[in-house]
Amino acid sequence: DSGVTQTPKHLITATGQRVTLRCSPRSGDLSVYWYQQSLDQGLQFLIQYYNGEERAKGNILERFSAQQFPDLHSELNLSSLELGDSALYFCASSARQFYGYTFGSGTRLTVV
Amino acid sequence: QKEVEQDPGPLSVPEGAIVSLNCTYSNSAFQYFMWYRQYSRKGPELLMYTYSSGNKEDGRFTAQVDKSSKYISLFIRDSQPSDSATYLCAMSAFSGGSNYKLTFGKGTLLTVNP
Repeated sequence: DSGVTQTPKHLITATGQRVTLRCSPRSGDLSVYWYQQSLDQGLQFLIQYYNGEERAKGNILERFSAQQFPDLHSELNLSSLELGDSALYFCASSARQFYGYTFGSGTRLTVV
Repeated sequence: QKEVEQDPGPLSVPEGAIVSLNCTYSNSAFQYFMWYRQYSRKGPELLMYTYSSGNKEDGRFTAQVDKSSKYISLFIRDSQPSDSATYLCAMSAFSGGSNYKLTFGKGTLLTVNP
């Protein structure tokens, strides 16, 4: 157990739907990062939050949004889902930003 | 040109072999260099990190950084079947404020055969 908890582990949904992925960071870590991993693209950075504030954005689509709550857990919202959104979504947390991200086990999203 | 290039493999070796995994990069601003290991259906886990050119050893693993050539390597000695996983290199650069941007390679799938 890495200390980063992601739920749900698996999600199957239809195109056009909206889903919410949840992440609880490791105790004491203020930064939360969301990544998308697909076979052809590898790990793609989506967005970072630090202590409730958005800190950095990567290749996040406009249909996707995220937030970090006062208790530091974070949610990634994916809407108007397309087949191409099927991927593994990872949350990571860190105390230091330059190295040492701790990843959760991921949520496997399948859009049918 | 991509910022980080990693040979995707797959790489298949016999147990006990020495494994060499490599990444090249183009961004001179990268300061910290990491290797992550990812088992199937699991999240990546940090294996090693370094910030200077040269070698860093941890048990059977050695991370090597050559900043002049923009090249990093991970060597695994006496490889074991339990080393079978995808190995991802990662590098971070200061991106303003107090932020660092972490960029991953696509990963190399390694299989160690008993």
